[in-house]
Amino acid sequence: DAGITQSPRHKVTETGTPVTLRCHQTENHRYMYWYRQDPGHGLRLIHYSYGVKDTDKGEVSDGYSVSRSKTEDFLLTLESATSSQTSVYFCATVAGGPNEQYFGPGTRLTVT
Amino acid sequence: QKEVEQNSGPLSVPEGAIASLNCTYSDRGSQSFFWYRQYSGKSPELIMSIYSNGDKEDGRFTAQLNKASQYVSLLIRDSQPSDSATYLCAAGNNNAGNMLTFGGGTRLMVKP
Repeated sequence: DAGITQSPRHKVTETGTPVTLRCHQTENHRYMYWYRQDPGHGLRLIHYSYGVKDTDKGEVSDGYSVSRSKTEDFLLTLESATSSQTSVYFCATVAGGPNEQYFGPGTRLTVT
Repeated sequence: QKEVEQNSGPLSVPEGAIASLNCTYSDRGSQSFFWYRQYSGKSPELIMSIYSNGDKEDGRFTAQLNKASQYVSLLIRDSQPSDSATYLCAAGNNNAGNMLTFGGGTRLMVKP
């Protein structure tokens, strides 16, 4: 599992509130990714990081920001949550062979 | 737009049969290909990676890659009810931040 944990595992929040999800890894991996998974859309990349303070946008980055101040932590922030951001969020890192991504357990976020 | 296409299924096979899962990709620059298994409510689990044309076998699983046809497949021999899950195909381009593009997944049902 590449030593990845995510917190919280479940969260219910109200529209308009800020939310931060945390991804923590213990194996010093350089690359980290945030995905969301929705029925009918599969896994879609939100943001990724290729090192401390180095991040870039993915396919569905609008409404999300990220930060990586330490190798082990990659934070995903919803500045003002909307119902369309209700989803399951997965963090991943690259380990093993080229491009081999391993996923954390996921966070189920519900925005009411 | 890079795309990975899979039949959503469900693909239903009897126990002990061979399950054949297929995937096509649009980006000719893709250099790495992966199959993930995802049980309901769980995170994707990497089961096979393939980087060159031909077959790669690991236990009951065989991945097949044909870059000329932009086609990847996964064969599961002696299918078991525990193989029932959604299988995600992913393609990676080493020049793009180690990012992966995922297909929508094929749901496999193995009937006892």
